[in-house]
Amino acid sequence: AQTVTQSQPEMSVQEAETVTLSCTYDTSESDYYLFWYKQPPSRQMILVIRQEAYKQQNATENRFSVNFQKAAKSFSLKISDSQLGDAAMYFCAYRSLSGGGADGLTFGKGTHLIIQP
Amino acid sequence: NAGVMQNPRHLVRRRGQEARLRCSPMKGHSHVYWYRQLPEEGLKFMVYLQKENIIDESGMPKERFSAEFPKEGPSILRIQQVVRGDSAAYFCASSRTVNTEAFFGQGTRLTVV
Repeated sequence: AQTVTQSQPEMSVQEAETVTLSCTYDTSESDYYLFWYKQPPSRQMILVIRQEAYKQQNATENRFSVNFQKAAKSFSLKISDSQLGDAAMYFCAYRSLSGGGADGLTFGKGTHLIIQP
Repeated sequence: NAGVMQNPRHLVRRRGQEARLRCSPMKGHSHVYWYRQLPEEGLKFMVYLQKENIIDESGMPKERFSAEFPKEGPSILRIQQVVRGDSAAYFCASSRTVNTEAFFGQGTRLTVV
């Protein structure tokens, strides 16, 4: 079974600064997806960024980018120019492709990101 | 195009009652996933359904919990004889195909008193 570990229960960053959230995972599979989701106080789960394991290039979405290290099974999220609206819980998630993608997402426990004005 | 709709947003049940949680997937989406989120935890996969079929229920408790996704109408997660430990947020997600992005609803917060 796959596991996803987020070792930082809480992170704090000054507005406009850069912060990196860490995520490691354990799997014996070679094909999978990795995701970062944001959950603000409204509870809505919002997809931030997605990485296919077969792609060597790190995914980027505006101020959000990942550092995907497949051999190390590491998938960190970097948020540049942090904004107050970035304050939320951030969840790292894994999705297997071995079952034709039928498996659900496996989530980490989350990192609470605080933005200091 | 409306997103994934879950209702109710909040549900309070007394111990022993039944809870029915509804999820209407996005238009054109035939794949539905249910997750449970306990306080201070990430989401835990419960069940994956396609229209009229349960594909994977490996995360579903063996007793009291059931899910369906009928040909017409929303997907239903049913919890019979609820206990305090069932109190959690229950999320539904839908996708168009098995390999495309899943979109989440806003969840139903179940409180058992």
